[in-house]
Formats: sequence, C-alpha cells, structure tokens
Amino acid sequence: EDQVTQSPEALRLQEGESSSLNCSYTVSGLRGLFWYRQDPGKGPEFLFTLYSAGEEKEKERLKATLTKKESFLHITAPKPEDSATYLCAVQASDSWGKFQFGAGTQVVVTP
Amino acid sequence: DAEITQSPRHKITETGRQVTLACHQTWNHNNMFWYRQDLGHGLRLIHYSYGVHDTNKGEVSDGYSVSRSNTEDLPLTLESAASSQTSVYFCASSEIAGVTSTDTQYFGPGTRLTVL
Repeated sequence: EDQVTQSPEALRLQEGESSSLNCSYTVSGLRGLFWYRQDPGKGPEFLFTLYSAGEEKEKERLKATLTKKESFLHITAPKPEDSATYLCAVQASDSWGKFQFGAGTQVVVTP
Repeated sequence: DAEITQSPRHKITETGRQVTLACHQTWNHNNMFWYRQDLGHGLRLIHYSYGVHDTNKGEVSDGYSVSRSNTEDLPLTLESAASSQTSVYFCASSEIAGVTSTDTQYFGPGTRLTVL
C-alpha cells in the first residue's frame, strides 16, 4: 500500500531562518511527487511536480528535491507570507491519476 | 480563466438528511476527484471519475455517492448524513496524462460541512 509521511507536523520559524520539510514515501513505482501549499480556509495550491530522483525545482524562496525514498521542501530566508500548510502527494505509476497525500506540515513564520 | 468552484462554501445539516455538494470545473478536464480533509488525516479520496458516466470508489466512500452526467460537474451526495461526516470537502480535477506527463490536480476552495 502506498504511504506518505510528512515531518515535522508543525514548524515555527523566525523570519529569515531557513529550514526544510520532509516527505518520505513508499510507492510501487513513482510516477510523480507533488507539493502543494494550503492557506487556512482555502484549497491546496499547486507548487511543484518532481518526476525522478535527483530532480530539483525552485520557486522564489522554495526549492523541492527528490530522492528514491523522500522529498525535501527547502524554505530559504522565509517571510511571514510563507506561513501555510505544505502538502506532499505521490502518484504511483499504476494509480491512473490518483494521489496519496501526506498529512501536511504547518509552517508559521514570525517577524 | 479556468477554475473549479464549489457550493455551498458552508453547510450545516442534521443527522439523517440527504446533502448534495456541488463541484463545477471549467478546465475541461476528464478526471475529477472528491476528498475530505480532517485534522491529522490529510486529504482522503472519497470518489473519483475519469469521464462522463464513469465513477469509482476511493478509500473512504461509505455513505457517499457521485454521478457524472457531463464533463464539468461531479456532485457529491451524502445519502443520510452522519456526525462522522463533519469535515471539509474538496473537489479537484486533472487532465488525462500522456505517457510522459503526470496528472497535476487542481483544487476548488472547499465546502465546510457540519452535521449536527
């Protein structure tokens, strides 16, 4: 059975204090790994897709990386507007479009 | 711009009542999904559809049903609402992936349902 585990559950950062979020996964053949950002009271917003080990994607202060067993979302010099819950999802090669989501990491960045 | 809308955004109902949550997308996507989100559980798949007249059960489908009569809409029905179905419900849609692409899912704003 596909499994996705995100850690930590919650992260409190000072503005400018860089950190990383972890998404470890077990899947029978990875078709894609997805990162989403979710603000309170809103739907998840797509950030990145990673397809293969060694791949990296960047967007502003966010950088996602992928290995064969886990993905990291690095937040460099975060600002208060980076406060959100970050969700990781995997798509198995035999899943026909279905995702398995992790429980998310809630990030709070204080000024 | 293409989008997914959900209605209502908030709903309070009583145990035993039938409730229907609407989802409408203008992406012209073939795939549509319904999830529920609860604290500590993340997003869990309820039902999904790969096209008109196609519906499939997800991991938490008991007590829910869907029907797909056109590309744009996938309404979710709670046949007899229970307090355990109090949750936030999200609809999502995606393209049919080609051999070299993946199916990024795009989400609606959610419906907060309370069953008393």
